[in-house]
Amino acid sequence: NAGVTQTPKFRVLKTGQSMTLLCAQDMNHEYMYWYRQDPGMGLRLIHYSVGEGTTAKGEVPDGYNVSRLKKQNFLLGLESAAPSQTSVYFCASRAGLYQPQHFGDGTRLSIL
Amino acid sequence: GENVEQHPSTLSVQEGDSAVIKCTYSDSASNYFPWYKQELGKGPQLIIDIRSNVGEKKDQRIAVTLNKTAKHFSLHITETQPEDSAVYFCAASTNNNDMRFGAGTRLTVKP
Repeated sequence: NAGVTQTPKFRVLKTGQSMTLLCAQDMNHEYMYWYRQDPGMGLRLIHYSVGEGTTAKGEVPDGYNVSRLKKQNFLLGLESAAPSQTSVYFCASRAGLYQPQHFGDGTRLSIL
Repeated sequence: GENVEQHPSTLSVQEGDSAVIKCTYSDSASNYFPWYKQELGKGPQLIIDIRSNVGEKKDQRIAVTLNKTAKHFSLHITETQPEDSAVYFCAASTNNNDMRFGAGTRLTVKP
C-alpha cells in the first residue's frame, strides 16, 4: 500500500505564478486534509473534505483553493503565489471519526 | 477556536532515561488528543492517541495521560533509545475535523 502520496516533492515558484499540489490516497478514506507546516508553528489546517465533492475551510484558507472531484484525490491550488506561502505542505486522510490521520511525506514549496 | 501550547520546545535526554512532553489546550469541548512523531523529511506518524473518556493509555514504552479538569495532557516515553530522536507534536480536536497542533518538541536521545 502506498498510503498517502503527494506530488511534487519540491517546487520553486515565482511570485504570482499558479500551481496545483496533488494528494492521492489508496485507503478509501472519506476525510482528507491539507496542512501547512512552518518553523515553530506546528501544522495549521488550510482546507479539508469530508467526502467526494465536498470541501470546507480550515484555520488558514486565504490564498488557497481545493477540489475533491474523486474520492481518492484532494487537490490544493495556489492561484497567485506569494512569498508568505513558502512552506512545507502536508496532506492527510482518515477513515472516520476518532481514527488517526495518515500523512504524506510533504511538498516543500518555495516562492521567490 | 482551540489553542494548543506544547512544552518544552527542545528536550535532550540520555539513552535509557525517560522523556516527558506536556501540552495544554483551551477548548473544554476538545475530546480527542493524538500524538505524532515526525522524522526528518517525513510526514507525521501517529504514535498514540487518547479520547476524553480515558485518563491514561499505554503502548509499550509510550504512555499518554489526560487531565480534563486542568486541560492538559502529557506524553511519557520510558527507556528512551536513539531512534526515539524526532520532533513530537501534540494535537487537540473537538469534532476531529478542526485539529489544532502544538508547535512541536525536538527530542534528542544521546547514546
